[in-house]
Amino acid sequence: AQSVSQHNHHVILSEAASLELGCNYSYGGTVNLFWYVQYPGQHLQLLLKYFSGDPLVKGIKGFEAEFIKSKFSFNLRKPPVQWSDTAEYFCAVNIDTGRRALTFGSGTRLQVQP
Amino acid sequence: KAGVTQTPRYLIKTRGQQVTLSCSPISGHRSVSWYQQTPGQGLQFLFEYFSETQRNKGNFPGRFSGRQFSNSRSEMNVSTLELGDSALYLCASSLPGTTTGELFFGEGSRLTVL
Repeated sequence: AQSVSQHNHHVILSEAASLELGCNYSYGGTVNLFWYVQYPGQHLQLLLKYFSGDPLVKGIKGFEAEFIKSKFSFNLRKPPVQWSDTAEYFCAVNIDTGRRALTFGSGTRLQVQP
Repeated sequence: KAGVTQTPRYLIKTRGQQVTLSCSPISGHRSVSWYQQTPGQGLQFLFEYFSETQRNKGNFPGRFSGRQFSNSRSEMNVSTLELGDSALYLCASSLPGTTTGELFFGEGSRLTVL
């Protein structure tokens, strides 16, 4: 079965620092990749997605992610971060294009200090 | 446009009881998925419904069941509750025919089993 690994469980940054959150998945076939964000007290929201084409995808609020197929990675980046980016970030993978089942990583809690 | 609505938001049950959670998807969305979120296991896929049919099921025991109605509203039921069923249960809906995985999540129903 496929799995998703997020190695950074808790990240603390100062405002204006650069963010990079790692995401690796284990599946050899075609995948759809996502980053979701959960702000404190709010529901999960889609940040960005990759289905095909340009491996560098841009999402909302200045976030971007790069798909590196050879490394099975889909790392999230944002330079610079803001205090309002404090949230939990989840990487997710879908391997069945006909269905909507997502496999999520364990999440990374980002704390941005002003 | 109203988002995904889940009821109840919070509930407390005791072991052995059963619970039914409700989800109203975004208007026009016909696919509904359910996820369980716990601190230990993270986000795990429960099942997906489309046009009143279960299309996919995660690795959960038969005590977890669901259904979808003709108006796309969905319910999930957990019978013979166990302490480990305490979790945030998330419902997500998506448009038919759109690229897989673009899920819109509700705020969840937080279940506590005593």
